[in-house]
Amino acid sequence: GESVGLHLPTLSVQEGDNSIINCAYSNSASDYFIWYKQESGKGPQFIIDIRSNMDKRQGQRVTVLLNKTVKHLSLQIAATQPGDSAVYFCAENRMFSGGYNKLIFGAGTRLAVHP
Amino acid sequence: DSGVTQTPKHLITATGQRVTLRCSPRSGDLSVYWYQQSLDQGLQFLIQYYNGEERAKGNILERFSAQQFPDLHSELNLSSLELGDSALYFCASSPGLQGINQPQHFGDGTRLSIL
Repeated sequence: GESVGLHLPTLSVQEGDNSIINCAYSNSASDYFIWYKQESGKGPQFIIDIRSNMDKRQGQRVTVLLNKTVKHLSLQIAATQPGDSAVYFCAENRMFSGGYNKLIFGAGTRLAVHP
Repeated sequence: DSGVTQTPKHLITATGQRVTLRCSPRSGDLSVYWYQQSLDQGLQFLIQYYNGEERAKGNILERFSAQQFPDLHSELNLSSLELGDSALYFCASSPGLQGINQPQHFGDGTRLSIL
């Protein structure tokens, strides 16, 4: 079906620790992936993206890893802060018949950061 | 601030009624996407417009319709509303057609409550 799954629905971490949020995708032809952060009462906010010809991409305190062999995507957040508390979504860019692309979103993982 | 503006932020109405949600994309973005987010369904793609034309459809009900105007703003029309239509409705935009290196940027949504 049209879905990108997540291994952990809720992740609790201590402030200052590193966080890893995982995502499994189903379509090996998907060529582009995005991580979004959604805070309460707000829309999904773009964090970082990665093309399928890359294995790793780093941003500010965040790193996305792509393992195409097992169709797995992860988001690593370094030195997690209370402001990182949110729901995180992965999304894959998938082509459909008719020649158009759609972003397929995972169900989301809630990250709770404790002091 | 993503640059995508949605109005209104909240809508409360009754079953059987009709509402219109409005979206202004980021400056320069030609594509507009509509999503529905409810607790049990996650982010569900409804429809995409590109430069005034419908480009892709998701699981959009026949009671729902959308359009994109020459100034690129978009409206989502929901009619014969049912209790199950209560949800958050998000608009997103991107510079071109959905594809590689085309992250969608989201507005903060319209919360629709059907009484």
